[in-house]
Amino acid sequence: DAGVTQSPTHLIKTRGQQVTLRCSPKSGHDTVSWYQQALGQGPQFIFQYYEEEERQRGNFPDRFSGHQFPNYSSELNVNALLLGDSALYLCASSATGSETQYFGPGTRLLVL
Amino acid sequence: RKEVEQDPGPFNVPEGATVAFNCTYSNSASQSFFWYRQDCRKEPKLLMSVYSSGNEDGRFTAQLNRASQYISLLIRDSKLSDSATYLCVGDFGNEKLTFGTGTRLTIIP
Repeated sequence: DAGVTQSPTHLIKTRGQQVTLRCSPKSGHDTVSWYQQALGQGPQFIFQYYEEEERQRGNFPDRFSGHQFPNYSSELNVNALLLGDSALYLCASSATGSETQYFGPGTRLLVL
Repeated sequence: RKEVEQDPGPFNVPEGATVAFNCTYSNSASQSFFWYRQDCRKEPKLLMSVYSSGNEDGRFTAQLNRASQYISLLIRDSKLSDSATYLCVGDFGNEKLTFGTGTRLTIIP
């Protein structure tokens, strides 16, 4: 049973560029949440997708957007990248009614 | 004030010692709490859920005090493999997890 997978594992971009990160949830999970983890900090909630809709959102600007597909996989898009967007981006999946979230290995993004 | 606050450490303790971490939260509408463990350059992994009645899993004991808005994690007979960052986490509704900054623990041989 595959766990949560994310791609790519590492990414280097320059300021102003756009990036798309991908996540496949654990089998049987229908909810995907995205988190940003800066160095030395805990993960910060970006948004959550359920039934292909954004269900709730954290305190992140509109440059951060996402999508969920019918197979429950999800994408995180960040436009107009800033140096401060450099972080580990984590995807977590869960099943409806379960309080447990399982995290993927993350995508490490470096913005130069 | 951050919704979840914990001492960032680092905590350096000898192997076999008992170590305790504390965490406070400010959102009284909190639903559930957890401790996650994160190894260097890895993803967070659920260590245990935290209940008001307290719960124990082997050498690990977690406790929630809703009146004081306080969460604790106790590790007994610490092992080298316990070295990691321990994240205090609250679910304040709709499965949105709010993390503390993490407490870094190093077990010294």
